[in-house]
Amino acid sequence: GENVEQHPSTLSVQEGDSAVIKCTYSDSASNYFPWYKQELGKGPQLIIDIRSNVGEKKDQRIAVTLNKTAKHFSLHITETQPEDSAVYFCAASRGKAAGNKLTFGGGTRVLVKP
Amino acid sequence: EAQVTQNPRYLITVTGKKLTVTCSQNMNHEYMSWYRQDPGLGLRQIYYSMNVEVTDKGDVPEGYKVSRKEKRNFPLILESPSPNQTSLYFCASSWQGGNQPQHFGDGTRLSIL
Repeated sequence: GENVEQHPSTLSVQEGDSAVIKCTYSDSASNYFPWYKQELGKGPQLIIDIRSNVGEKKDQRIAVTLNKTAKHFSLHITETQPEDSAVYFCAASRGKAAGNKLTFGGGTRVLVKP
Repeated sequence: EAQVTQNPRYLITVTGKKLTVTCSQNMNHEYMSWYRQDPGLGLRQIYYSMNVEVTDKGDVPEGYKVSRKEKRNFPLILESPSPNQTSLYFCASSWQGGNQPQHFGDGTRLSIL
């Protein structure tokens, strides 16, 4: 089955700096890659997603890149703010063929220091 | 407001005492799913449902049951809970089509003593 690895497990950045989280996946049939932000006491909230026919997607300060050949994708947060502090999860899916199952990475705890 | 609602949010119980965690969504989504979250393991899928009366196993279904009698509800049943089911549980829903954004509830923290 699919395996998703996520690095780093913790990331501390100064406010205003950029943060980068990287994920690799094992199943070349995966075609959907969402990123979730989880705050304390809350469920994961989708922040951005990318499909395999796209190499990059941007939404304000957040961007995701996908390299299908190397089977890795990354989340980039620019101009970080204290409210960006949370745990971030990447995930991969093969879509309906696999029951829309999301296989998650282990998470990255991001701390933005003011 | 579009939301996925789980109850209870917290529960401490004992081994063997049957319990049900309810999940309800108000977005008319066909697809619903249960995940458990354990430290360092991310979230793992327990069961999912593509539509009413259609359920299937995820990666870690042992010890759990589900039912989907109505579109909006997808309860998770632990018939004989054991300590290794102590975890944080999340319900999610989305449209049925492949690769649709999944919306998560705020979680249920279960402690089985």
